[in-house]
Amino acid sequence: DVKVTQSSRYLVKRTGEKVFLECVQDMDHENMFWYRQDPGLGLRLIYFSYDVKMKEKGDIPEGYSVSREKKERFSLILESASTNQTSMYLCASRTTVGQGNNEQFFGPGTRLTVL
Amino acid sequence: LAKTTQPISMDSYEGQEVNITCSHNNIATNDYITWYQQFPSQGPRFIIQGYKTKVTNEVASLFIPADRKSSTLSLPRVSLSDTAVYYCLVGDGKAAGNKLTFGGGTRVLVKP
Repeated sequence: DVKVTQSSRYLVKRTGEKVFLECVQDMDHENMFWYRQDPGLGLRLIYFSYDVKMKEKGDIPEGYSVSREKKERFSLILESASTNQTSMYLCASRTTVGQGNNEQFFGPGTRLTVL
Repeated sequence: LAKTTQPISMDSYEGQEVNITCSHNNIATNDYITWYQQFPSQGPRFIIQGYKTKVTNEVASLFIPADRKSSTLSLPRVSLSDTAVYYCLVGDGKAAGNKLTFGGGTRVLVKP
């Protein structure tokens, strides 16, 4: 089974702190994604990476950056956390092998609270 | 990116069939239609994907008409554990820069 793990299930940080959210997948997937999920807004894509050291902005990249130095690891960075970044953060991975494969495998999520 | 529209919520009873229709009027030739299921406090889980006509697996069926401007997810004989949010997405899985947009989803409540 594909496994996507995230470094923390719950995290509490203070305004202005630098926050790192880590995601690791064990299936040699090329693509990795970071989403945030808020009530009434569904899942919104922050950033995605289609290969090592490659990254593209999603729909809401402001206030975030990412790093993908190794294929299995994709990190989301909040340079200076703010209260409006309190949310559930979900990481996902996907292979590009196969026709029209849109199956993303999600991690359990990290619920981040910024005080 | 093809935009999708689906109902906000649906109620059903155990043992019934649940059908959720999604509209995607501007679907592109290379786009596939994919459905996910999400339980509270968990990440979404892939259910089914199709391109045209009908696809069936052990969990659900997906019906896609010839014009592909809509699709219907069918959950046969639902149980209480099928209470979840269901998302419809369209996108080209092969494109390197492919992004899938999750809308608000359909909240399905299965009652005893």
